[in-house]
Amino acid sequence: GENVEQHPSTLSVQEGDSAVIKCTYSDSASNYFPWYKQELGKGPQLIIDIRSNVGEKKDQRIAVTLNKTAKHFSLHITETQPEDSAVYFCAARSGNTPLVFGKGTRLSVIA
Amino acid sequence: DGGITQSPKYLFRKEGQNVTLSCEQNLNHDAMYWYRQDPGQGLRLIYYSQIVNDFQKGDIAEGYSVSREKKESFPLTVTSAQKNPTAFYLCASSWAGTSTGNTIYFGEGSWLTVV
Repeated sequence: GENVEQHPSTLSVQEGDSAVIKCTYSDSASNYFPWYKQELGKGPQLIIDIRSNVGEKKDQRIAVTLNKTAKHFSLHITETQPEDSAVYFCAARSGNTPLVFGKGTRLSVIA
Repeated sequence: DGGITQSPKYLFRKEGQNVTLSCEQNLNHDAMYWYRQDPGQGLRLIYYSQIVNDFQKGDIAEGYSVSREKKESFPLTVTSAQKNPTAFYLCASSWAGTSTGNTIYFGEGSWLTVV
């Protein structure tokens, strides 16, 4: 089955700097890669996703890149703000199988 | 208000008791899922259902049971056979039926503590 590895597990950045979180996956059939943001005590919220026919997708300060050959995808947050502090999860799935999640990255943005 | 509603938000279970967590969605989604989250860990799949009256085990189904009698409801029972049930439980739902993957949306979660 699918296995998703996520790095780093914790990340601290200064406000205004960029943050990058990386994930690798094992199943070459996976074709959908969402990123979720989870605040303390709440359910994960989808922030951006990418499908395998696209290499990069951007939404304001957030971008995701996908390298299918290397089986890795990354989340990029530019001009970080304190409200970006949260736990971020990557995930992967093939077709309509359930999502498989990475273990999460705790991002702290220091003002 | 559309979305996924989980209840209760906080639940305490005594040793040997079964408890049921409720999950209701009004998004008309076909598929529903239950995940478990332990502190500092990712989300692990317990059970999922892609259609009414059918469900499949996930990676950690032992000690749990589910039912899917209605499209909008997918309750999870944590049985006494689950030896370490203290965790944050997340219900999710999505459309089904395409090959490109459908967005999965989560509820706000339920905290279960064994006392």
